[in-house]
Amino acid sequence: NAGVTQTPKFRILKIGQSMTLQCTQDMNHNYMYWYRQDPGMGLKLIYYSVGAGITDKGEVPNGYNVSRSTTEDFPLRLELAAPSQTSVYFCASSYLPGPPRGEQYFGPGTRLTVT
Amino acid sequence: AQSVTQLDSHVSVSEGTPVLLRCNYSSSYSPSLFWYVQHPNKGLQLLLKYTSAATLVKGINGFEAEFKKSETSFHLTKPSAHMSDAAEYFCVVNTGTASKLTFGTGTRLQVTL
Repeated sequence: NAGVTQTPKFRILKIGQSMTLQCTQDMNHNYMYWYRQDPGMGLKLIYYSVGAGITDKGEVPNGYNVSRSTTEDFPLRLELAAPSQTSVYFCASSYLPGPPRGEQYFGPGTRLTVT
Repeated sequence: AQSVTQLDSHVSVSEGTPVLLRCNYSSSYSPSLFWYVQHPNKGLQLLLKYTSAATLVKGINGFEAEFKKSETSFHLTKPSAHMSDAAEYFCVVNTGTASKLTFGTGTRLQVTL
């Protein structure tokens, strides 16, 4: 299993541009998540999905959109990029709640700079 | 609401000496608690997890943590630090719905010769 994969690894955007961060998992997990990590901070949840066709907002959803058309893929869309979106983005997945609850598997991250 | 407080933003130890990274949590429900490690420019790796079984949890690379409900703590320890342990460590609590996780702000562990 490749686990959770993310593309691209690095990206520089100009203010106002748009882009999609890709995330794919091959573990047949129902639950998927997007986080952002700012310097010196823990991860903050942007959006999550409990299954194909179902998504919900996390703690910091403004400026982002998601979709979940398949179990495997959970892309994150940035519209009208702003410098405040400069961050490292992590995608994660987990199986259904139940022992062990909540363990998530993380991708390697995408480092995004908006200038 | 759930929250996690990591009491030290930076810990420095000498190689071969014990490691203690402190974490306190707040949860309305019986929590699941985790420690994740992040090496520089890498993703997050699960070190260990507590899910209401044994209160002393053993993880990878010689780390362990003890769940103390009376103190609402989940401190991470290792008897003898190694240079390869230098990394950022995150204490994490499961919010209980949709397996959403709440992260602490992290503790950077420095290991010196």
